[in-house]
Amino acid sequence: SAVISQKPSRDICQRGTSLTIQCQVDSQVTMMFWYRQQPGQSLTLIATANQGSEATYESGFVIDKFPISRPNLTFSTLTVSNMSPEDSSIYLCSVRRGAGETQYFGPGTRLLVL
Amino acid sequence: GEDVEQSLFLSVREGDSSVINCTYTDSSSTYLYWYKQEPGAGLQLLTYIFSNMDMKQDQRLTVLLNKKDKHLSLRIADTQTGDSAIYFCAETPLGGYNKLIFGAGTRLAVHP
Repeated sequence: SAVISQKPSRDICQRGTSLTIQCQVDSQVTMMFWYRQQPGQSLTLIATANQGSEATYESGFVIDKFPISRPNLTFSTLTVSNMSPEDSSIYLCSVRRGAGETQYFGPGTRLLVL
Repeated sequence: GEDVEQSLFLSVREGDSSVINCTYTDSSSTYLYWYKQEPGAGLQLLTYIFSNMDMKQDQRLTVLLNKKDKHLSLRIADTQTGDSAIYFCAETPLGGYNKLIFGAGTRLAVHP
């Protein structure tokens, strides 16, 4: 398994502001992933973050809105920019490790935009 | 396209077995997963099965995979109140190791 921590665990933000979410893993991983879980919904992949290269975004997500950093093999940040109430969600980071190409998830960051 | 479907709600009596069902459309899926999300918590990996397997058992959990019908199920034996949660089925399509396609989740309610 993997030990993954995220900061902050939750936040309440004003529209128009930005929030940076941090994800820390207990050991080096090649790929880190950022997901969004909107209220009452399932999870949707935002982007894949590789160390040393640009993040790869899924359809419907753009770098200007969700810039991602990956400075080393154990850490990544996701910024939610120019927030609106529609950005209120849980944001989760995950890593792939071990047999079964298994993805393990962090505890999530619960964001409420007013 | 890729799609994963689950029933949204299941209610069982404590001590009974729970069976949560999932169907998927991508016949090239390599791995299929079950995750558990308790209220206010993140996702916990419960178990996974490789596409060339029919069944996998892990303590109280039994996963059955019918590739022909693209049907996956999770059976929880002797369901307890602590099993109350949302259960997500997910798949990794062939060549799509980066991407997990999730179902909408099944909310399991366990009552006395």
